[in-house]
Amino acid sequence: DAGVTQSPTHLIKTRGQQVTLRCSPISGHKSVSWYQQVLGQGPQFIFQYYEKEERGRGNFPDRFSARQFPNYSSELNVNALLLGDSALYLCASSLQTRANPGQGREKLFFGSGTQLSVL
Amino acid sequence: EDKVVQSPLSLVVHEGDTVTLNCSYEVTNFRSLLWYKQEKKAPTFLFMLTSSGIEKKSGRLSSILDKKELFSILNITATQTGDSAVYLCAVGGGTASKLTFGTGTRLQVTL
Repeated sequence: DAGVTQSPTHLIKTRGQQVTLRCSPISGHKSVSWYQQVLGQGPQFIFQYYEKEERGRGNFPDRFSARQFPNYSSELNVNALLLGDSALYLCASSLQTRANPGQGREKLFFGSGTQLSVL
Repeated sequence: EDKVVQSPLSLVVHEGDTVTLNCSYEVTNFRSLLWYKQEKKAPTFLFMLTSSGIEKKSGRLSSILDKKELFSILNITATQTGDSAVYLCAVGGGTASKLTFGTGTRLQVTL
């Protein structure tokens, strides 16, 4: 079975540009989360979406936005890129269900990430 | 604000050694503590702990949680070069599936 897939794997942009990162969750997973990992640090929470609704947002500026589609895939958009946005962007999915929303939602399965470089 | 602190930050050991990695946390409405292994890009799941005192084991790896003292340890016995990686500790709390990660412990296993 396919794991979490992300595209593109690498991206180079210049300051001020906009970028869209894509993520497909594991089949059957309805929850998708986005994390930013700066070199030498642990991943930092950006967003969580469950059944197409935003369920959590981290401490990131409004330049960061996301959405989830009916097939549970997701996009992360970053506008007006800054040098400090250079990082590995990780997508994760989890088996959160309506019947048991508290079970399994924290057991995240991560994709290989998109390495974003802003010049 | 939720906080996770891992120690040591880095560690170099010889193949066959046993290592203990530490994780302490402060989190509102604690739900779970998770360990991940990150070799290149994708963190891979190792353990999820929710109850104190119950050891989780998988081969040479084991982990235990102390909810009273707010810490967890990850043990790796008979280390191999393939264990070289960054080990991330994360805690889940509140209502969302947000995880708060530590900085990680970089483990290098040499021959």
